[in-house]
Amino acid sequence: GQQVMQIPQYQHVQEGEDFTTYCNSSTTLSNIQWYKQRPGGHPVFLIQLVKSGEVKKQKRLTFQFGEAKKNSSLHITATQTTDVGTYFCAGPRKTSYDKVIFGPGTSLSVIP
Amino acid sequence: DTAVSQTPKYLVTQMGNDKSIKCEQNLGHDTMYWYKQDSKKFLKIMFSYNNKELIINETVPNRFSPKSPDKAHLNLHINSLELGDSAVYFCASSHVAGNSYNEQFFGPGTRLTVL
Repeated sequence: GQQVMQIPQYQHVQEGEDFTTYCNSSTTLSNIQWYKQRPGGHPVFLIQLVKSGEVKKQKRLTFQFGEAKKNSSLHITATQTTDVGTYFCAGPRKTSYDKVIFGPGTSLSVIP
Repeated sequence: DTAVSQTPKYLVTQMGNDKSIKCEQNLGHDTMYWYKQDSKKFLKIMFSYNNKELIINETVPNRFSPKSPDKAHLNLHINSLELGDSAVYFCASSHVAGNSYNEQFFGPGTRLTVL
């Protein structure tokens, strides 16, 4: 079945270092979304990418959608302690647009 | 104003009991969801309702029964609770039009602990 995978599962970085998480889908996605969940919190929508090769920036966060629309990445420049949390990518299921498949998430720890 | 609210926030109960979790959204969305997040943080969709109609029903035990009295509410009733039901349950809502998929707004979650 359709799967969405993310690597790494965990990442520990020193504050100020960069961080990247990668998302891979077994099928082509019409769009991809990224969410952030702080410890003890709920997932919060960050961004949606739709076009092949699309790159979007939000301050220190850079999101990219692959040319084949099967992979995506989230890069954080100069991490801060406020970046701590789990980052999920999510894509709509091919046969059911209103069902979203979430990746397993990447948990980021930032050491001050 | 809270966009998506859930009650209760915490729920501790004994095995075999029946419990309900309520969800309400004031965003005017037409689609609502229930997700289960286990201890490993995996977010798994359980149910989806669009305009009060059940759209998605994943392979969830039939002890779980969702009910949507109107577009703004989606409740989850669980019968005969089991230890494995312990998790955080998130309600979410979004606007789905045609084949356009929009962001989901999540509630704060209900942490269910079955003893």
